[in-house]
Amino acid sequence: GAGVSQSPRYKVAKRGQDVALRCDPISGHVSLFWYQQALGQGPEFLTYFQNEAQLDKSGLPSDRFFAERPEGSVSTLKIQRTQQEDSAVYLCASSSPAGQETQYFGPGTRLLVL
Amino acid sequence: ILNVEQSPQSLHVQEGDSTNFTCSFPSSNFYALHWYRWETAKSPEALFVMTLNGDEKKKGRISATLNTKEGYSYLYIKGSQPEDSATYLCAFESGGSYIPTFGRGTSLIVHP
Repeated sequence: GAGVSQSPRYKVAKRGQDVALRCDPISGHVSLFWYQQALGQGPEFLTYFQNEAQLDKSGLPSDRFFAERPEGSVSTLKIQRTQQEDSAVYLCASSSPAGQETQYFGPGTRLLVL
Repeated sequence: ILNVEQSPQSLHVQEGDSTNFTCSFPSSNFYALHWYRWETAKSPEALFVMTLNGDEKKKGRISATLNTKEGYSYLYIKGSQPEDSATYLCAFESGGSYIPTFGRGTSLIVHP
């Protein structure tokens, strides 16, 4: 289909490992969001891109988290030196443009850090 | 930090029952309210975007109302079916911010 895809769907990492999570947004969508959903919580904002520009990264919990969208389409969320508290579902959503627009979500990547 | 609350946290109903749940959000600086349905192992799916006080939206057996002055939205499901089982999320957008704040969701289980 033409929806948002994310890979991998599941990732188990040992504490201290680096991980990279990929998001393929809907073609032509300008805006791309990353969210983190911890167990029992709602999705929490991590970062926002408009095309290739990262306009807001205020939600990234630490400097171990890094996101990029170099060509304004595919985005990667990288977590360095993973910790147990990083275990969560990471959701990606795209829209065109942001603000009152419906966000289209991927299925998420479920990360478990042991 | 914006406070967006959903109640109840979870709900079990029998097939055929009608049900409703609530999303509460700040009553000032309203911009938009979104409802999503998230079935297990699938992507969250947009149900409604609501922007005006008094808005009522409907999609099949699901409908929603919006009261921006008092800061709440209701989601109604008429004649619940097992396939309605999902987590229902609301997300609040305030004016001047493109970042939605999500509630924790209401988990609905419809028993056949």
